[in-house]
Amino acid sequence: NAGVTQTPKFQVLKTGQSMTLQCAQDMNHEYMSWYRQDPGMGLRLIHYSVGAGITDQGEVPNGYNVSRSTTEDFPLRLLSAAPSQTSVYFCASSPSSGTGSNEQFFGPGTRLTVL
Amino acid sequence: KNQVEQSPQSLIILEGKNCTLQCNYTVSPFSNLRWYKQDTGRGPVSLTIMTFSENTKSNGRYTATLDADTKQSSLHITASQLSDSASYICVVLNQAGTALIFGKGTTLSVSS
Repeated sequence: NAGVTQTPKFQVLKTGQSMTLQCAQDMNHEYMSWYRQDPGMGLRLIHYSVGAGITDQGEVPNGYNVSRSTTEDFPLRLLSAAPSQTSVYFCASSPSSGTGSNEQFFGPGTRLTVL
Repeated sequence: KNQVEQSPQSLIILEGKNCTLQCNYTVSPFSNLRWYKQDTGRGPVSLTIMTFSENTKSNGRYTATLDADTKQSSLHITASQLSDSASYICVVLNQAGTALIFGKGTTLSVSS
């Protein structure tokens, strides 16, 4: 299993540009999520999905869109990039989002810089 | 507000020494508490997951303890190695299972 994969690893955008961060998992996990990690702060949840066709907002959803057409893929779209979106983005998956001891598996991250 | 506070912010120890990282949380009630290791430039990797009824859990040289009464957890690393240099993140899952609250992490540097 490749686990959770993310592309690209690095990206530089200009303010106002749009782009899609890709995330895929091959573990047949129902739950997938996107986080951003900024210096001096804990990871913050952007959007999540509990299954194909179902998505919901997390703590910091503004400026981002997601969709979940398949179990495997969960892309994150930046609609109009802003310097405040400069961050490291992590995708994660787990078997479910319930209260069990489900481990979350994180991807390697995408480092995004918005100029 | 649900919070997870970690201390110290950073720590430097010599290879072979032991160390203990602290985590205090206000999330109550909660479902489980997790410790993750994050190497520089990589995603977090799970070390331990403890429910509120568990007091201790080990994973090799890593031992996590939990005191649900005082809302404190610790991660003890035994006989540290250079590869232990990383950020260690404490995370609490709320009881509904709808939110993971992340601490800011403790950066550990192990030197030879």
